[in-house]
Amino acid sequence: QITLKESGPTLVKPTQTLTLTCTFSGFSLSTWGVGVGWIRQPPGKALEWLGLIYWNDDKRYNASLRTRLTFTKDTSKNQVALTMTDMDPVDTATYFCAHLPDHYSDGGFDSWGQGTLVTISS
Amino acid sequence: DIQMTQSPSSLSASVGDRVTITCRASQGVRNDLGWYQQKPGKAPKRLIYAASSLQSGVPSRFSGSGSGTEFTLTISSLQPEDFATYYCLQHNDYPYTFGQGTKLEIK
Repeated sequence: QITLKESGPTLVKPTQTLTLTCTFSGFSLSTWGVGVGWIRQPPGKALEWLGLIYWNDDKRYNASLRTRLTFTKDTSKNQVALTMTDMDPVDTATYFCAHLPDHYSDGGFDSWGQGTLVTISS
Repeated sequence: DIQMTQSPSSLSASVGDRVTITCRASQGVRNDLGWYQQKPGKAPKRLIYAASSLQSGVPSRFSGSGSGTEFTLTISSLQPEDFATYYCLQHNDYPYTFGQGTKLEIK
């Protein structure tokens, strides 16, 4: 059974840096083809894809956020981290991480974390 | 970027109704499309992958079809637990893009 859980601060001040951790079980990010994605959802709005990190450490970012976003992985700890700099109130959202089963045959997200609401406010 | 346009944006229906939601891509995405259901305060749940394959554990009243630029999600007989918001997601090209969502409400 695959599980993922996001953790990190719930309140961040404008201009600060957000770091979220996704801790997962039931799969390994060293398995060929596997990835972990990040998605966010502002309150009452649609889902927005932030990017992906793959088993081979390849990373894909939403170009609109590329200068502010960094993904890293720690395979031994079964964790992926998201770092976003220069936070703004418009970044207030629920942030989700999700499992990508196989880049070559199933590039969608079949399991999701519960999400964590991050509020940007002074 | 590939734009995914969902229609309708909202829909009122009754238990037992047959419902269809459409997603149109601004360019071809082959069958690299999934459908997700999201209930308030919860994470999205994948219902359909590869445009028409039913995710394990998902009731058979859900079905998907389409390829290229036009896709549909059909619920054959609405159940009370199906009232939620539905999203399509294309993963054919980066950036992945979601539709804007279809809110399915009880009539």
